[in-house]
Amino acid sequence: DGGITQSPKYLFRKEGQNVTLSCEQNLNHDAMYWYRQDPGQGLRLIYYSQIVNDFQKGDIAEGYSVSREKKESFPLTVTSAQKNPTAFYLCASSIAGALRGYTFGSGTRLTVV
Amino acid sequence: GQQLNQSPQSMFIQEGEDVSMNCTSSSIFNTWLWYKQDPGEGPVLLIALYKAGELTSNGRLTAQFGITRKDSFLNISASIPSDVGIYFCAGPQMRGATNKLIFGTGTLLAVQP
Repeated sequence: DGGITQSPKYLFRKEGQNVTLSCEQNLNHDAMYWYRQDPGQGLRLIYYSQIVNDFQKGDIAEGYSVSREKKESFPLTVTSAQKNPTAFYLCASSIAGALRGYTFGSGTRLTVV
Repeated sequence: GQQLNQSPQSMFIQEGEDVSMNCTSSSIFNTWLWYKQDPGEGPVLLIALYKAGELTSNGRLTAQFGITRKDSFLNISASIPSDVGIYFCAGPQMRGATNKLIFGTGTLLAVQP
């Protein structure tokens, strides 16, 4: 079955360390996205990519970096420059135009101690 | 830019009650999408609406695309405990990168057995 996989589900890191969150899709979608969700809050866009080897900043890109070397993969690195990295991170993908919406992964909960 | 406002922010109801929530914008949308997010999971698409005035059902869920194209409504009939979660409306951005969805602020639903 096609889908989008985020790993790991739970991640713990020490303050000051960079950490990379994995996102893989086998839906043959061109576009991929990363969102951050804080408790009881909505979705805030971090980065998005409409095509391989291209990506754009979203609303809260500071302290994050991404790469899109393969169509299937869109990893997110949370750097030590991110002031408050503890959050729930969601990856999504879509066909061009997004008229059928996004398919979301099941999320990664990052806790920085 | 385009924004989507959802109301109410939260609802606490008894099992068996009907639920209504809405999503409004100051600008026009050509597509309305409704998502549900279970606790600790990624959002899942419930209903997609593509035409002004359209009324679409999915089991106990019914959604409508407002005539003005600036709003949409979601109703849940005879709520059950598994309806608990956050409900988001969304629509494709009309300017710039049309792959991007604009998400509403979310309605948190709690159902007491």
